[in-house]
Amino acid sequence: DTGVSQDPRHKITKRGQNVTFRCDPISEHNRLYWYRQTLGQGPEFLTYFQNEAQLEKSRLLSDRFSAERPKGSFSTLEIQRTEQGDSAMYLCASSQTGNSGNTIYFGEGSWLTVV
Amino acid sequence: QQQVKQSPQSLIVQKGGISIINCAYENTAFDYFPWYQQFPGKGPALLIAIRPDVSEKKEGRFTISFNKSAKQFSLHIMDSQPGDSATYFCAAYTHNFNKFYFGSGTKLNVKP
Repeated sequence: DTGVSQDPRHKITKRGQNVTFRCDPISEHNRLYWYRQTLGQGPEFLTYFQNEAQLEKSRLLSDRFSAERPKGSFSTLEIQRTEQGDSAMYLCASSQTGNSGNTIYFGEGSWLTVV
Repeated sequence: QQQVKQSPQSLIVQKGGISIINCAYENTAFDYFPWYQQFPGKGPALLIAIRPDVSEKKEGRFTISFNKSAKQFSLHIMDSQPGDSATYFCAAYTHNFNKFYFGSGTKLNVKP
C-alpha cells in the first residue's frame, strides 16, 4: 500500500493524558498536512510541513498541540493534557509540490475519544 | 468565517437520478477546486477536481460545473447508485497560502 498511513486508527484516552499520532505520507510527497474533523463537519486545517519545516499553524492549534516532521518523512501530532473537546478524527494528508501539487491525498484518519 | 459554503446539508435521491451539490466561495485567489468523497470511518478520497480556467469537467458519472463570475461550483452525479451514498465535500485551494478550505459536507443517500 503506497497511500498515506496513519497510526493508531483509534485511540481512547482519559482526560488529561497525552496522546501521539503518527502519519507516514506517500513516499515522494514533500508536503504534509494535519486536519481535524468532527462529526458532520468538513476537515479543518491544523498545520502543514514542507519537508521538515513547519510552515503554518492554525489558531485552532493550541499550545497543547505540537507537530513534528523531523526528517521530512513521517510526522507526529502530539496532544498534551487532552480535553473532551479534543475528541475528533485527526486526518493527515500529503502532496507533492509541482504542476500536480495541488492534489492532497488523505489517510484513513486517527479517531480520538477523550473520556 | 467559512471560506467555502456548501449546500444542501443532506440529499436523498432515487437510484438512477441526478445528485447535485453546490458550493460557493468568496476569495478570488482560489485556483483549484476538488471534490472529495468520504465513507463512514474513512478518510476523504479525491473524486474529481477543476481549475477556474474551464467551466466543466467530466469523469465518468461525475461532472463539475464551474461558474467563475458567480464564484460557484457544483458536483453532478449522473445515474446515482446506492454505492454513491457517502458524504461529499467541496474544497478550494490557493497556492498563495498552500491551504485547502473545505465545505461542511453533504450527506448523500441514494435509495434503491
